[in-house]
Amino acid sequence: QSALTQPRSVSGSPGQSVTISCTGTSSDVGGYNSVSWYQQHPGKAPKLMIYDVSKRPSGVPDRFSGSKSGNTASLTISGLQAEDEADYYCCSYAGSYTFNWVFGGGTKLTVL
Amino acid sequence: EVQLVESGGGLVQPGGSLRLSCAASGFTFNNYWMSWVRQAPGKGLEWVANIKQDGSEMYSVDSVKGRFTISRDNAKNSLYLQMNSLRAEDTAVYYCARAAKGWFDPWGQGTLVTVSS
Repeated sequence: QSALTQPRSVSGSPGQSVTISCTGTSSDVGGYNSVSWYQQHPGKAPKLMIYDVSKRPSGVPDRFSGSKSGNTASLTISGLQAEDEADYYCCSYAGSYTFNWVFGGGTKLTVL
Repeated sequence: EVQLVESGGGLVQPGGSLRLSCAASGFTFNNYWMSWVRQAPGKGLEWVANIKQDGSEMYSVDSVKGRFTISRDNAKNSLYLQMNSLRAEDTAVYYCARAAKGWFDPWGQGTLVTVSS
């Protein structure tokens, strides 16, 4: 199972919006509505930001939103803040009889 | 507060074994699938294994099949990962995570496993 494809880095200025893409196949992203996104600050554990493509857990600011079109999922962060600078990972259920999960390679978000 | 605390990491020689533990608290442990996810130094996340609430179903990534075994003890609110025949490429921080229907939340702080001679 190959990792999902994410851009290695994105950047934006405070207050701007950025979008991180996550491209898979019809066997993972395109086949299920089980895409989640995680934020990871250096030396810290990942934190769930989006689940089921577009749902936000309690406590996650509504500046974070998710969507999906075909085999590509996207995470959009609006009104960028300095504390949003982190690595972001997408994840999708990959199905099959082995009940696989696959992550993206990660995207480094820099707030300029 | 939901909390997951991993332990058992360390330095091990290639071909050696190690058993990781994850102590869960703050939620009804036997109501949830549980998972192990790893992250090699400077690399991305990789799902390793999942186990069903009652331990009757277990799944793992192809690269660890036949070498790693996930298990749980619901009486002790604990998750385990028995790792045998360890390779240099298994070097990573191993995270324990609660697995909901389609996502992982929360995650423990991780435990570092280093495979080196």
